[in-house]
Amino acid sequence: QVQLVQSGAVVKKPGASVKVSCKAFGYTFTGYFIHWVRQAPGQGLEWMGWINPNSGATNYAQNFQGSVTMTRDTSRSTAYMDLGGLTPDDTAVYYCARERTRSSSGNDACDIWGQGTMVTVSS
Amino acid sequence: DIQMTQSPSSLSASVGDRVTITCRASQSISRLLHWYQQIPGKAPRFLIYGASSLQSGVPSRFSGSGSGTDYTLTISSVQPEDFATYYCQQTYTTPVTFGGGTKVEIK
Repeated sequence: QVQLVQSGAVVKKPGASVKVSCKAFGYTFTGYFIHWVRQAPGQGLEWMGWINPNSGATNYAQNFQGSVTMTRDTSRSTAYMDLGGLTPDDTAVYYCARERTRSSSGNDACDIWGQGTMVTVSS
Repeated sequence: DIQMTQSPSSLSASVGDRVTITCRASQSISRLLHWYQQIPGKAPRFLIYGASSLQSGVPSRFSGSGSGTDYTLTISSVQPEDFATYYCQQTYTTPVTFGGGTKVEIK
């Protein structure tokens, strides 16, 4: 079954970093871009960026330049999103999502979503 | 950045009603417009890609249309399981942007 399984909820203090993992099952991990999207409590969806698991190339939203790093481990079929300099405004559910088309170029819809990882930033 | 404006932000409907949600982009996005459904506490569910193509497994009561800057999601006869929040998304250019969402509630 094609699915993305994310790591569990975490609580972090302001100024800390968080690393969320996203493990792929049931398809060729390197064939499909992975996007990261977050959702603050009661708010809409915010795109953070994507990673090409084949090449490791990334594209980050301007809002996250300098604070986010997206990586992958192809041997583990896992993508990672590392967010640093956390503030309470980073409290959100973080989703990874697979792009719909194999070998697309970062401009397609996302058909498979992880279950989400709740990150709480609080002192 | 391309701004995506959804309207209405919320609506009330009865089971069996026809529901229409619109999404307007701040510039032409060449039908690189997609729709998602989200139930509270759940991840978004992918519904429609390329403005009008229905994802496999999505009921045919869902349809999409539009071009240029203006797009529409229609539910021909809303069912109890359709009460949720709907988001449009453009992937014409980065940053990818989402509409603010439309909450469809039971009347």
